[in-house]
Amino acid sequence: KQEVTQIPAALSVPEGENLVLNCSFTDSAIYNLQWFRQDPGKGLTSLLLIQSSQREQTSGRLNASLDKSSGRSTLYIAASQPGDSATYLCAVNTGGFKTIFGAGTRLFVKA
Amino acid sequence: NAGVMQNPRHLVRRRGQEARLRCSPMKGHSHVYWYRQLPEEGLKFMVYLQKENIIDESGMPKERFSAEFPKEGPSILRIQQVVRGDSAAYFCASSPLQLAGQTDTQYFGPGTRLTVL
Repeated sequence: KQEVTQIPAALSVPEGENLVLNCSFTDSAIYNLQWFRQDPGKGLTSLLLIQSSQREQTSGRLNASLDKSSGRSTLYIAASQPGDSATYLCAVNTGGFKTIFGAGTRLFVKA
Repeated sequence: NAGVMQNPRHLVRRRGQEARLRCSPMKGHSHVYWYRQLPEEGLKFMVYLQKENIIDESGMPKERFSAEFPKEGPSILRIQQVVRGDSAAYFCASSPLQLAGQTDTQYFGPGTRLTVL
């Protein structure tokens, strides 16, 4: 059974700091992994999608890496801004039609 | 191109009543997914539907919950005889493509927050 864990559960950093969010999964047989952002009271916004054949994806200040063999993914945020404050969710697809989500990391960037 | 739309955004029901949650996928998307998010937890898959077909409902509670995606109109998640434990945020997502064994990028709606009194 696939389980997705995100560490830390919450993180508070000063503006401008580079940071790393971690995601681990128990079954390395995945098709893709996705990072989402969730703002309070709102839906999810897809940030990056990494297919199983890829090692990383980049979008602006965001970089996500994938290491299937070790069951890990990291989301790197460069030069963090107060507007980055949100909950970041990691989700894996192991085939079929289900996406398994982690519980998320709540990020607060202090101005 | 409007995003995934869900309504209502907030729904309050008393125990024993019925709750109906609606989801209109993005234009051109024929795949709909429903997820439930309990407080302080991640999203849990409930059901995957295509037009007029339930493809995977393995995440749906066995009783009181049902879902449909008719040929015309939005997808409906229906909860009968609600209980306090049903209080949660219910998210709908849609995707344009479903390759065998894979899931394309899912686009999420804003969610419906159900409160059962």
